[in-house]
Amino acid sequence: GENVEQHPSTLSVQEGDSAVIKCTYSDSASNYFPWYKQELGKRPQLIIDIRSNVGEKKDQRIAVTLNKTAKHFSLHITETQPEDSAVYFCAANPYGQNFVFGPGTRLSVLP
Amino acid sequence: DAGVIQSPRHEVTEMGQEVTLRCKPISGHNSLFWYRQTMMRGLELLIYFNNNVPIDDSGMPEDRFSAKMPNASFSTLKIQPSEPRDSAVYFCASSPQAGGLETQYFGPGTRLLVL
Repeated sequence: GENVEQHPSTLSVQEGDSAVIKCTYSDSASNYFPWYKQELGKRPQLIIDIRSNVGEKKDQRIAVTLNKTAKHFSLHITETQPEDSAVYFCAANPYGQNFVFGPGTRLSVLP
Repeated sequence: DAGVIQSPRHEVTEMGQEVTLRCKPISGHNSLFWYRQTMMRGLELLIYFNNNVPIDDSGMPEDRFSAKMPNASFSTLKIQPSEPRDSAVYFCASSPQAGGLETQYFGPGTRLLVL
């Protein structure tokens, strides 16, 4: 079955710096990779996603890159702000199955 | 669109009592998912439905848990009898289609505490 690993488990950055979270997956048939942000006490919400036919996608301060050969994808947040503090989950979808979520990364943006 | 709706938002009950969680998916979505989230185990998929039919319930922890989807706009997750270790946040999510091909949209969750 699919296994999704996520690193680091916790990340602290200074406001204005960049943050990078990396996920690896095991099933080469996976073709859709969403990223969710979960603020304390709230629901996970999609912030960006990428499909296997592209290598990079950007939306303002956030971007996701995908390396299919190495089976890893990364979330990049630039110019971090205090409101970026949250738990971030990556996910992958082995073909014909539903999401397998990573264990999450707790990001703290320090003022 | 109101998004995925869950009720109740909070539930406190005593061990041994029956608990019923409710979910209304986004209109037009064909797939519905029930997740459980705890600090120790993270986000766990319990069961999912496609076109109201349960497809995979391998994540349901034991026979005390059951889920139904009688129609396209309503699903329930029942725990009977409840135990303290069932305390968690339970999320319902829906998606336009199954197979992990589209985004899942999460409801606000039900925070369950079993005393």
